[in-house]
Amino acid sequence: AQKVTQAQTEISVVEKEDVTLDCVYETRDTTYYLFWYKQPPSGELVFLIRRNSFDEQNEISGRYSWNFQKSTSSFNFTITASQVVDSAVYFCALSPPFTGGGNKLTFGTGTQLKVEL
Amino acid sequence: DSGVTQTPKHLITATGQRVTLRCSPRSGDLSVYWYQQSLDQGLQFLIQYYNGEERAKGNILERFSAQQFPDLHSELNLSSLELGDSALYFCASSPSGSRSYEQYFGPGTRLTVT
Repeated sequence: AQKVTQAQTEISVVEKEDVTLDCVYETRDTTYYLFWYKQPPSGELVFLIRRNSFDEQNEISGRYSWNFQKSTSSFNFTITASQVVDSAVYFCALSPPFTGGGNKLTFGTGTQLKVEL
Repeated sequence: DSGVTQTPKHLITATGQRVTLRCSPRSGDLSVYWYQQSLDQGLQFLIQYYNGEERAKGNILERFSAQQFPDLHSELNLSSLELGDSALYFCASSPSGSRSYEQYFGPGTRLTVT
């Protein structure tokens, strides 16, 4: 069975602070995919990033960066110089190996990020 | 805008009733997924269809059913509704082939059962 744990229920920061959202996962699969999604107050789910289990390179996209560590089963997400528009719920998700027909996502419980002025 | 459309956006109905939620996937995507987001259960996978056939099933109640039509749109039918079925229902779609792991979500249908 697959499981994703986001221990931080809510984080509050002041604008321009850096913030890291933690994600720990469990799976018996040797290959898998990890994701981060953002859910702003409007409610839609926005895809942020996908990471293959066999690619442990960290990734940076603008103010966003992701640290994947297979040894600790973690896939953490850092926002640098946070902005009010970053306020949202962030979900980490896990998918089983690619089968060609698609796969279900197992989501964590989400971390509510509040960025204040 | 992900390209996935869902209707209606909001739905209010009474216990015991039946409703149908509709989803149109992104152009060219063959897979459709349904997820339920509730305060109690979080975001949970319900069911997946691929090119008209059921591919995977999650925690979907027997009162719920879904199908994917030849034009690839999908419908989720919820019957004998209970208060606990109140939730945000998301549809997602993904392409086939090597990018099938990329799921793009629609805006959701918010169901309120009174």
